[in-house]
Amino acid sequence: QSMLTQPPSVSAAPGQKVSIFCSGSSSNIGNNIVSWYQYLPGTAPRLLIYDNNERPSGIPDRFAGSKSGTSATLGITGLQTGDEAHYYCGAWDSSLSVWVFGGGTKLTVL
Amino acid sequence: EVQLLESGGGLVQRGGSLRLSCAASGFTFSDYALGWVRLAPGKGLEWVSVTSGSGGSSYYTDSVKGRFTISRDNFKNMLYLQMNSLRAEDTAVYFCAKITVVRGAIIGYFEYWGQGTLVTVSS
Repeated sequence: QSMLTQPPSVSAAPGQKVSIFCSGSSSNIGNNIVSWYQYLPGTAPRLLIYDNNERPSGIPDRFAGSKSGTSATLGITGLQTGDEAHYYCGAWDSSLSVWVFGGGTKLTVL
Repeated sequence: EVQLLESGGGLVQRGGSLRLSCAASGFTFSDYALGWVRLAPGKGLEWVSVTSGSGGSSYYTDSVKGRFTISRDNFKNMLYLQMNSLRAEDTAVYFCAKITVVRGAIIGYFEYWGQGTLVTVSS
């Protein structure tokens, strides 16, 4: 069982907005930065958000991250069919000295 | 351009061994921590191991401690994962990743990833 909790799936129509939530604890999200990853089967996972809300170069501003307390959120606006993928949150857990991922959320663009 | 290319995956019997390799380019290899992450069928991403830029410090997830060993060759720009006593639950695609370290955390985030190599452990 993952130490970070995400909904298994979310869906929305093209052009709409979706939010993916990630819940943790004080030892991980509460005291460390959160990052988000996009994974399409058969490809390399891609870093979408680092340091809670920063985007690497090349990531469109349709993707936005935020953090509050022991939870984090990935928001995606202007949904496109190409956004259909699995999305994972992650953070370092200072108490256990391990990296933890959320269980992943499958995004379907209807 | 950062490139990470894994190799060494394959089919192995339960209890067997396998050595994964990751060839890196496009960055100053010894300046960065590197790690392995796996994706088992029907499951989510799972962090496996990380090693510091010098290779002097390494960390593992509990399920592989004592069985897997991470290492690196900073002259050849190569990362390795020696996997012994393999179990069916080790079956997964294994990704190599370049890590950015931040204050207070061994792993800040996984900045770049390879495309992975498949390990299948037969029972």
